Amino acid sequence: AQTVTQSQPEMSVQEAETVTLSCTYDTSESNYYLFWYKQPPSRQMILVIRQEAYKQQNATENRFSVNFQKAAKSFSLKISDSQLGDTAMYFCAFMKLSFVQGAQKLVFGQGTRLTINP
Amino acid sequence: DGGITQSPKYLFRKEGQNVTLSCEQNLNHDAMYWYRQDPGQGLRLIYYSQIVNDFQKGDIAEGYSVSREKKESFPLTVTSAQKNPTAFYLCASRPTGEWNEQFFGPGTRLTVL
Repeated sequence: AQTVTQSQPEMSVQEAETVTLSCTYDTSESNYYLFWYKQPPSRQMILVIRQEAYKQQNATENRFSVNFQKAAKSFSLKISDSQLGDTAMYFCAFMKLSFVQGAQKLVFGQGTRLTINP
Repeated sequence: DGGITQSPKYLFRKEGQNVTLSCEQNLNHDAMYWYRQDPGQGLRLIYYSQIVNDFQKGDIAEGYSVSREKKESFPLTVTSAQKNPTAFYLCASRPTGEWNEQFFGPGTRLTVL
């Protein structure tokens, strides 16, 4: 079974700073996807960024980027120029590839509560 | 607007009662999922459904039941057998496709009194 570990329960930075959230995972699969989801105080889950394991290039989405280290099974999220609206719980999630649609389940880490201070 | 709706937003029930949480989507997604979220923990999968009239147990299915009679709807019943039902429940759906993300509803907060 896959497991996802986020070792930082809480983090806090000043607005405009850069912050990195850590995530490690354990799997014997070779083909999978990794995700970072954001859950603001509204509790709506929002996809931040996605990484396909077969791609060596790290994914980027505007101010959000990842450092994907497949051999080390590490998938960290970097937020540049942090904004007050980035305050949220951030969840790392793993999904193995399956030819059975719908069987592609997400396995979540425990989450990191990020606070951006003005 | 297309999306996933969950109702009600807050739900209270007495111990020993069954309660059903609603999840509806108009995104034409085949797969639907139910997750439970507890403080300090990530989301845990309760049940999922790949297609109408089919569903599978997730990691914590005990004390829960589901049905999938329509593509748009995937209700979750929390039965009296669920020992600790107070939690935040999230429904998600996913379009057909190898890598497609899951889209989440706004959630239902269930409190057992």
